[in-house]
Amino acid sequence: EDQVTQSPEALRLQEGESSSLNCSYTVSGLRGLFWYRQDPGKGPEFLFTLYSAGEEKEKERLKATLTKKESFLHITAPKPEDSATYLCAVQDGETSRALTFGSGTRLQVQP
Amino acid sequence: DGGITQSPKYLFRKEGQNVTLSCEQNLNHDAMYWYRQDPGQGLRLIYYSQIVNDFQKGDIAEGYSVSREKKESFPLTVTSAQKNPTAFYLCASQGVNEKLFFGSGTQLSVL
Repeated sequence: EDQVTQSPEALRLQEGESSSLNCSYTVSGLRGLFWYRQDPGKGPEFLFTLYSAGEEKEKERLKATLTKKESFLHITAPKPEDSATYLCAVQDGETSRALTFGSGTRLQVQP
Repeated sequence: DGGITQSPKYLFRKEGQNVTLSCEQNLNHDAMYWYRQDPGQGLRLIYYSQIVNDFQKGDIAEGYSVSREKKESFPLTVTSAQKNPTAFYLCASQGVNEKLFFGSGTQLSVL
């Protein structure tokens, strides 16, 4: 059974204070690892897809990395508008096409 | 604009009542999904459909039903058999590279 565990559950940062979110996963055959951002009362918005260990992707203050067992979402010099819940999901290439999601990390960036 | 449209945004169900959540997409995607999200938790898969007139149960299908008569539409019915229906319901379609596009969600509450 595919599993995704995200940590920490919640994170409070001061504006400009860099940090990292963790996503540990167990999957038979990784087809892709996805990061989404979700604002309260809204649907998740796509951020990144990572396919193989060693891969990195960046978008503004966010950088996602991938190893064989986990992924990190690094947030550099965050701003209050980065406050959201960040969700990690995996797609198993050997079973169904549906994504398995973690429970998310709630990030709050204070000015 | 292309996207996923969910309606209504808020829905209230009386005991013993069936209610239907609407999901329409104009992205020309074959695969569509329904997820349930409870406070502080990740997304759990209810049903998915990879092609018209075909659908499969997800991890928590009991008390729910779906249909896929048209490519653009994937309605979800929450039946009276679902004893704990209060949650945020998200519909998604899947595009290239397995990326999911989400609607804005429906918040279902019990009166």
